[in-house]
Amino acid sequence: GAVVSQHPSRVICKSGTSVKIECRSLDFQATTMFWYRQFPKQSLMLMATSNEGSKATYEQGVEKDKFLINHASLTLSTLTVTSAHPEDSSFYICSAMGRIAYEQYFGPGTRLTVT
Amino acid sequence: GESVGLHLPTLSVQEGDNSIINCAYSNSASDYFIWYKQESGKGPQFIIDIRSNMDKRQGQRVTVLLNKTVKHLSLQIAATQPGDSAVYFCAENKNAGNMLTFGGGTRLMVKP
Repeated sequence: GAVVSQHPSRVICKSGTSVKIECRSLDFQATTMFWYRQFPKQSLMLMATSNEGSKATYEQGVEKDKFLINHASLTLSTLTVTSAHPEDSSFYICSAMGRIAYEQYFGPGTRLTVT
Repeated sequence: GESVGLHLPTLSVQEGDNSIINCAYSNSASDYFIWYKQESGKGPQFIIDIRSNMDKRQGQRVTVLLNKTVKHLSLQIAATQPGDSAVYFCAENKNAGNMLTFGGGTRLMVKP
């Protein structure tokens, strides 16, 4: 149980275009999901907290208009990178919170490359 | 601001030996700690956790030790195997809230 999927696993896009990444909890409902960004050889940095039915909470320094988050259902959150630039190239990982607070189940990640 | 172990050292061990991975945290308000394993190109995988009211917890081949006096967390892996090669992250949760703060990670390399 507690499986989280992400789609796509890899995406290459041109600079200036937008890319949508999906995060799904497959066998449980998640009112809260989290989006992280990870640069090579670095740790996971929390970008935002996604709450079902309400606006996402962004961490300091993360532009909410650039990284659009939608959590329209209890099993799906999406992250859209708008007007992507090469510096947005990174590994994006989502997690979904289980029934117990502070239990997070991580997705497999999405490798974004902006050319 | 406060942080958890911002560094990425590499630990190289011989197959069959025990491994000890360390993490320093600075937020005394943290009350829950987790170790994750991340293989290349994959998301973090839960290994073991510990609450602040404990100083030791054991799992299968893994043990986590918590020293709140010096704000130190360690992960011990017994009889390390090639499949244990990965980057290991500690993470802390503050006051039973929802958010995790990740440390810098340690790369474990197991030599056959």
